[in-house]
Amino acid sequence: GQQLNQSPQSMFIQEGEDVSMNCTSSSIFNTWLWYKQDPGEGPVLLIALYKAGELTSNGRLTAQFGITRKDSFLNISASIPSDVGIYFCAGLIMEYGNKLVFGAGTILRVKS
Amino acid sequence: NAGVMQNPRHLVRRRGQEARLRCSPVKGHSHVYWYRQLPEEGLKFMVYLQKENIIDESGMPKERFSAEFPKEGPSILRIQQVVRGDSAAYFCASSPWGGSSYYGYTFGSGTRLTVV
Repeated sequence: GQQLNQSPQSMFIQEGEDVSMNCTSSSIFNTWLWYKQDPGEGPVLLIALYKAGELTSNGRLTAQFGITRKDSFLNISASIPSDVGIYFCAGLIMEYGNKLVFGAGTILRVKS
Repeated sequence: NAGVMQNPRHLVRRRGQEARLRCSPVKGHSHVYWYRQLPEEGLKFMVYLQKENIIDESGMPKERFSAEFPKEGPSILRIQQVVRGDSAAYFCASSPWGGSSYYGYTFGSGTRLTVV
């Protein structure tokens, strides 16, 4: 089946730092989505990307849909403590219906 | 609050019992999706339902698991004769249509099932 490889698995951030994570796949996706999940909660959509090459921002978050349609990245600029959590990429292949394929997640923690 | 409501939030079952997980979609949404999340993993698709119809159950285990979304009332995910491996967080999502506009695709807070 389709798989998304998300990296890094985890990272520590210091307030004010920029953060970058990405997802790659051997499959071509029609839509890329980035979600954030806080402990004990469901995923919340951050950014949706629908076209190859698309670059979209949502406040301090920027995401891009790769030209090959096989990858996407998410950048967080000037991180703040409430950015900690788990970030998931998810992809959709229209030929396979409306089910999302999720990456394994990137855990963001605060450096102490 | 018009979000996706899942209950219970936490459910403990002994091996061999049945687990029933409920999902009330956003008001007006007629498409419901169930996903399972194992610890430290991403969500895995289980089933996609519209009112009174199962559209795609390709992610559902063939035995012990069933799902319904009746004309009235919440969607139900039922797990019979639970085993320890069923312990996971189960998330429901709803959308107003089955299309590709994911701004309308909303997740609930999940039900955490623990089998002891």
